[in-house]
Amino acid sequence: AQSVAQPEDQVNVAEGNPLTVKCTYSVSGNPYLFWYVQYPNRGLQFLLKYITGDNLVKGSYGFEAEFNKSQTSFHLKKPSALVSDSALYFCAVRDPLEGGSYIPTFGRGTSLIVHP
Amino acid sequence: GAGVSQTPSNKVTEKGKYVELRCDPISGHTALYWYRQSLGQGPEFLIYFQGTGAADDSGLPNDRFFAVRPEGSVSTLKIQRTERGDSAVYLCASSLTYPDRERGNIQYFGAGTRLSVL
Repeated sequence: AQSVAQPEDQVNVAEGNPLTVKCTYSVSGNPYLFWYVQYPNRGLQFLLKYITGDNLVKGSYGFEAEFNKSQTSFHLKKPSALVSDSALYFCAVRDPLEGGSYIPTFGRGTSLIVHP
Repeated sequence: GAGVSQTPSNKVTEKGKYVELRCDPISGHTALYWYRQSLGQGPEFLIYFQGTGAADDSGLPNDRFFAVRPEGSVSTLKIQRTERGDSAVYLCASSLTYPDRERGNIQYFGAGTRLSVL
């Protein structure tokens, strides 16, 4: 079975400071990992994904995420936060093993609040 | 181009009533997904269509829930005898390819329909 955990309900950071939104996962094999962002009254928008290759993945709006197999983590990062980054962030995982689900499992979400 | 469109954006109904929620996917997208998002939770998978057929409906909570996609484009999620526990935001997503054929399959989400059962 595949599962994902976002241990923080909310992350607060000052504008201009680096931000990290945490995600850990559990799958049988090597995971496919995704980050999505949801702004108020909007649908989820894809930010980035890890399938294979370089552990550091770069995505939209200056976000990046680092895949760490030993820690089963895929934390989302940005070097310098903007007030406009304030939103709800979802991590998702998919187990690629045959017989595994083709549908990703989403975490509960982390509310990022960037203070001016 | 236009994104995934869901109507209505809000739906208020009374316990026991029947509701239909509509999803219009991105043109050309072959796969369509329905999720339910409760307050403080992530999207919870309900059903997934490949073309006109339901490829995986394992997430439907019970037989009061049903979804169709008769022409392989627009989909309707139908809920019979609504209960207060059905109150949630129902999200629809579409993707260009099927998730079992593309490893990094990306889903494009609509803004959702907020269903309130009184």
